Amino acid sequence: SQELEQSPQSLIVQEGKNLTINCTSSKTLYGLYWYKQKYGEGLIFLMMLQKGGEEKSHEKITAKLDEKKQQSSLHITASQPSHAGIYLCGADRYGGAQKLVFGQGTRLTINP
Amino acid sequence: DAGVTQSPTHLIKTRGQHVTLRCSPISGHKSVSWYQQVLGQGPQFIFQYYEKEERGRGNFPDRFSARQFPNYSSELNVNALLLGDSALYLCASSWGLAGRETQYFGPGTRLLVL
Repeated sequence: SQELEQSPQSLIVQEGKNLTINCTSSKTLYGLYWYKQKYGEGLIFLMMLQKGGEEKSHEKITAKLDEKKQQSSLHITASQPSHAGIYLCGADRYGGAQKLVFGQGTRLTINP
Repeated sequence: DAGVTQSPTHLIKTRGQHVTLRCSPISGHKSVSWYQQVLGQGPQFIFQYYEKEERGRGNFPDRFSARQFPNYSSELNVNALLLGDSALYLCASSWGLAGRETQYFGPGTRLLVL
């Protein structure tokens, strides 16, 4: 089983709708990173969360780390075609942001 | 400024062959990490190098090796290729070793082993 479980694995939403992606860990999260990947390309850094209860926003994307630091959510408001891609959560497991363990990814499709 | 660059972009090899993948970090970045991403899965950590020294290794066989050069660029070598080595190989760089530094990823090298 995955150390980090993402849900859902895939998501199809109508343009303009809101959506949420979850990332659940069986261990305490000391650093949780969200990345976006265009199909078959490199990863684009979105946000990093460290403290329990922390919430960060960038444009229409908001990420939260729950108080117990074992789950994070990524929320997109008023989705746009540019939001389509694969969203990956990564956790600092080996000691340092340079050695991340990733979830399996959530594939997001935006229908016009 | 240029981001992380990787070469080649695509590569086709046959089983048993050897492959070398190259990565140039963002200017000023001294840490380079390598990840393997099999189709449909998240990236898996392979190696981290900092100041030419290995600072971390994931759960990969000895067929995988890497090194970092004085200019902080890096090579990933895979010997005796297996079909299961077919994947997107990602390189990421960061300035140093601080625990909460952000990694910046390159576009990857797609390796197909036939």
